[in-house]
Amino acid sequence: EAQVTQNPRYLITVTGKKLTVTCSQNMNHEYMSWYRQDPGLGLRQIYYSMNVEVTDKGDVPEGYKVSRKEKRNFPLILESPSPNQTSLYFCASSFWQGEETQYFGPGTRLLVL
Amino acid sequence: KQEVTQIPAALSVPEGENLVLNCSFTDSAIYNLQWFRQDPGKGLTSLLLIQSSQREQTSGRLNASLDKSSGRSTLYIAASQPGDSATYLCAVMESGGGADGLTFGKGTHLIIQP
Repeated sequence: EAQVTQNPRYLITVTGKKLTVTCSQNMNHEYMSWYRQDPGLGLRQIYYSMNVEVTDKGDVPEGYKVSRKEKRNFPLILESPSPNQTSLYFCASSFWQGEETQYFGPGTRLLVL
Repeated sequence: KQEVTQIPAALSVPEGENLVLNCSFTDSAIYNLQWFRQDPGKGLTSLLLIQSSQREQTSGRLNASLDKSSGRSTLYIAASQPGDSATYLCAVMESGGGADGLTFGKGTHLIIQP
């Protein structure tokens, strides 16, 4: 089954404790990205990757890091989480050039205390 | 910078009604437009994708239209059912290959009353 998986689905942590949210897709997609969704602000892109070892900032990259060492995986790293990073995070993937739909993961709900 | 607006923000209708959700965008230089459905606690499910050269797309009871020159899209849902209750999101991918990802509207929260 074609899918994007994220782990963990729910996470409660404390300020400053490094965490990683994993994202994996099984569709051989070149393009992967991370979004955060906040009430009243909608979905905003954090980082994206056009292929292995190629990443770039989206609209709200501050406080986040990503890596793309393998085509199927695109982890999101919060080196020192802060309460304003409490949000619902989505990973997405697609073939390049936007001719195909983007597939979204189930989301990771993060609470930073 | 591209802005996407969805009207109404919330809608509650009785089962069986036909309804229209509206989406507008400020920059007509788009690559495509997508409609998604989001259920509570779940991810986004793509409903329809309209390329910039297309005028509409249909899937079952759903029909999406695109008027790129006026910056508008509508999602038409025929014979609504309680299972259609969800938040519907409109998103545009701008021209240039989509490296900047999708720009989303804030969604229309739809409730279909049994």
